[in-house]
Amino acid sequence: NAGVTQTPKFQVLKTGQSMTLQCAQDMNHEYMSWYRQDPGMGLRLIHYSVGAGITDQGEVPNGYNVSRSTTEDFPLRLLSAAPSQTSVYFCASTEGTGSSYEQYFGPGTRLTVT
Amino acid sequence: DAKTTQPTSMDCAEGRAANLPCNHSTISGNEYVYWYRQIHSQGPQYIIHGLKNNETNEMASLIITEDRKSSTLILPHATLRDTAVYYCTTEGNRDDKIIFGKGTRLHILP
Repeated sequence: NAGVTQTPKFQVLKTGQSMTLQCAQDMNHEYMSWYRQDPGMGLRLIHYSVGAGITDQGEVPNGYNVSRSTTEDFPLRLLSAAPSQTSVYFCASTEGTGSSYEQYFGPGTRLTVT
Repeated sequence: DAKTTQPTSMDCAEGRAANLPCNHSTISGNEYVYWYRQIHSQGPQYIIHGLKNNETNEMASLIITEDRKSSTLILPHATLRDTAVYYCTTEGNRDDKIIFGKGTRLHILP
């Protein structure tokens, strides 16, 4: 049981390039989400998904796309990277039993856009 | 906006109890209070959660006021390894967004 895995761990992009941050979980969790964390800041929700085929916007969705074709995977796409997207990105999945939703976080992807 | 407010930072002497407050005055009846912590640049880690009763596990205790508008996370015997940012969130309906605030940076002083 690997939990939540994220790839790559580090990435440097030039402005305007595109890329996909990968997130996978092997816990059969329905709920998954993406957060970004800027230096000295808390976690800000980008997009989330309550199940395969269903996604919704979080607090800061602009510049990011997501899709959820399987329960296990929730990739985050940057279509045209900008320096403002330099951040650490965390993916999380949630164990939902009844009303209790403990989140499990991945190790993060550190992205620099130059 | 986050639905919780926490102090920006706190200090606690090693070996003493660390009491971290959280205000969640707009919490609704079906929402739980959750606490996470983030050590250095790692992914956040779940600590504890509760609805209205006080809770305790191997990591911490959670005290929720009777009106549920605030709570306190208690680390009974803080160690240097407890230095981290602690986040309080409220989560209810499983289709809700899970929003984090900026958390409290806890410094454990030797």
